Amino acid sequence: NAGVMQNPRHLVRRRGQEARLRCSPMKGHSHVYWYRQLPEEGLKFMVYLQKENIIDESGMPKERFSAEFPKEGPSILRIQQVVRGDSAAYFCASSPPGTGVGSPLHFGNGTRLTVT
Amino acid sequence: AQSVAQPEDQVNVAEGNPLTVKCTYSVSGNPYLFWYVQYPNRGLQFLLKYITGDNLVKGSYGFEAEFNKSQTSFHLKKPSALVSDSALYFCAVRDLSGGGADGLTFGKGTHLIIQP
Repeated sequence: NAGVMQNPRHLVRRRGQEARLRCSPMKGHSHVYWYRQLPEEGLKFMVYLQKENIIDESGMPKERFSAEFPKEGPSILRIQQVVRGDSAAYFCASSPPGTGVGSPLHFGNGTRLTVT
Repeated sequence: AQSVAQPEDQVNVAEGNPLTVKCTYSVSGNPYLFWYVQYPNRGLQFLLKYITGDNLVKGSYGFEAEFNKSQTSFHLKKPSALVSDSALYFCAVRDLSGGGADGLTFGKGTHLIIQP
C-alpha cells in the first residue's frame, strides 16, 4: 500500500516561472492537505481539499497560488510567477473519508522548491 | 484562533536517559492534540494523539505524552532515549469548536539530539 506520493522531490525554477507540485494521496483517501515549511519554521497550513472541492483555503496566499484536486488524477498545487520567497518545502498530507477531525494525517516526503 | 508553542528549539539528552519535549497550546474549545516526527528530507510521521479519555497517551516507538488541561500542555516523553530518536519533533493542535482552520496548526518544531 503506497503512501502519499509527491513529485517532483526537487524543483528549481527561475523567478517569474510557474511551479506545479503534484500529490497522489494514499489509496482510499479523499482528503488532501497542503502545507509549506520554511527553514527553521514549522509547517504552515495552506489548503484543504476533497475531490473536486476546496474546503478551506484560509492559509493560501491570495495571489499566484492555487490548488485543485480533480475527480481523476493527483492534487496539484500551482504557483505562478514564482519569487525567491516561495522557496520552501511543500508537503502534502491525506486522510480517509468519514474519519473526522481526530484522524491523523499521512504525509508525503515533500517537494523542495528552489527559486533562483 | 488556535496556536501551539514549543519553547525549546533544541533538546539534548544522553542515550538511556529519559527525555521530555515540551508543548503548550491555545484553543477556544476542546483540543485534538498530535505529535509528529520528521527525519531529514522526509515527511512527517504520526507518533500519537490525544482526543479524549486517559490523559496519558501511548504511541509509536515507546513515546508517550501527557495531556494537562489546567496547564494547556501536551509534553512528549520517553523513559529511555535512543540515538535513533534524534529528529525534529512537531506538536500540533486542531480546535474542535470550529473556530480554527480545518488543517492542523503546528508548532515550530524541536530538534531532539540524543548523544551516545
